[in-house]
Amino acid sequence: KQEVTQIPAALSVPEGENLVLNCSFTDSAIYNLQWFRQDPGKGLTSLLLIQSSQREQTSGRLNASLDKSSGRSTLYIAASQPGDSATYLCAVEGNTGKLIFGQGTTLQVKP
Amino acid sequence: GAGVSQSPSNKVTEKGKDVELRCDPISGHTALYWYRQSLGQGLEFLIYFQGNSAPDKSGLPSDRFSAERTGGSVSTLTIQRTQQEDSAVYLCASSLEASGSWNEQYFGPGTRLTVT
Repeated sequence: KQEVTQIPAALSVPEGENLVLNCSFTDSAIYNLQWFRQDPGKGLTSLLLIQSSQREQTSGRLNASLDKSSGRSTLYIAASQPGDSATYLCAVEGNTGKLIFGQGTTLQVKP
Repeated sequence: GAGVSQSPSNKVTEKGKDVELRCDPISGHTALYWYRQSLGQGLEFLIYFQGNSAPDKSGLPSDRFSAERTGGSVSTLTIQRTQQEDSAVYLCASSLEASGSWNEQYFGPGTRLTVT
């Protein structure tokens, strides 16, 4: 059974810092991995999708890497801003089509 | 519309009543998913539909939960005889196809269900 773990559960950093969020999964047989952002009381916004054959994806200040063999992904946020404050969720898709989610990392960026 | 929409945004119901939650997927998306987000359980899969295939109901927590998708578009999630543990945010997502490397899922804003 696929299990997804995110570390840390919460993170507080001053504005301008670069930071890394971690995601690990137990079954390496995945089709893709998605990173999402969730603001309080809101739905999920897709940030990046990495296919199983890819090593990383970049969008603006965000960079996500994937090491499928070791069951790990990282989300790197450069030059963090207060507007980046949110909960970040990673999810993996296997051959069933459904996403298995981690518990999320709640990020606070202080001005 | 441009994205996935859900209604109502909030629903308060009494224990034992039935509720219906609605999801309108992105036009042209053949796959539709329901997830539930609760404080103790995080985000968990409930059910998904792909075209005319039989839905994958493996995540439904009990037989009080059911869902249908009419005409390959709008979906309704029904919870019968609601219990307090059903209180959660119910999220709907859609994607171009059900599975594969390119299967990016787009989520709606969710319906917050409170059972009193």
